[in-house]
Amino acid sequence: GQQLNQSPQSMFIQEGEDVSMNCTSSSIFNTWLWYKQDPGEGPVLLIALYKAGELTSNGRLTAQFGITRKDSFLNISASIPSDVGIYFCAGRNTGNQFYFGTGTSLTVIP
Amino acid sequence: EAGVAQSPRYKIIEKRQSVAFWCNPISGHATLYWYQQILGQGPKLLIQFQNNGVVDDSQLPKDRFSAERLKGVDSTLKIQPAKLEDSAMYLCASSRHSGGDTDTQYFGPGTRLTVL
Repeated sequence: GQQLNQSPQSMFIQEGEDVSMNCTSSSIFNTWLWYKQDPGEGPVLLIALYKAGELTSNGRLTAQFGITRKDSFLNISASIPSDVGIYFCAGRNTGNQFYFGTGTSLTVIP
Repeated sequence: EAGVAQSPRYKIIEKRQSVAFWCNPISGHATLYWYQQILGQGPKLLIQFQNNGVVDDSQLPKDRFSAERLKGVDSTLKIQPAKLEDSAMYLCASSRHSGGDTDTQYFGPGTRLTVL
């Protein structure tokens, strides 16, 4: 199955810094989703994007659906310790199939 | 609205034994997905149901894995016999699949399987 290219693979940042990660695909998607996963838990939906060019915020999180429909990015502003976890992007195609990125592991140093 | 329910949360078995996982999707969600997530990787789709029909099972190892969703609501995933490489998190997810462009997928807490 298709897997999306997600970068960076891991990040180590100081508390209070901003974070940016992105996801690219060779295929067009109708929906882009961003999830956060804590150890031993299922992914939790953070932001859903439904239109090319759409920019959506959820608190300190901001995500954008790329114009080409083949990419998306997620920004986290003023990071805090509870932001630690693995962030996954996912794209949905017209067949309602979801494909996942390889994940970005975020470590926030207090 | 209740989320996706899964049980058990953890399971430890020996190789060649059988195991079954259960999932109850969000009420009204027509599409149900089973994923396998190896530690350090993203979820990999095993099987996708639309109501009680299979949409995609191309990555399901059918010699040992089986899944059903008989009444189009809850679902079970079975492994028989288990191998060491089956050790992973098994995630269930559901989506409404209203036919529109705003469909979103929600995950359950997962079942962590360890095969010894």
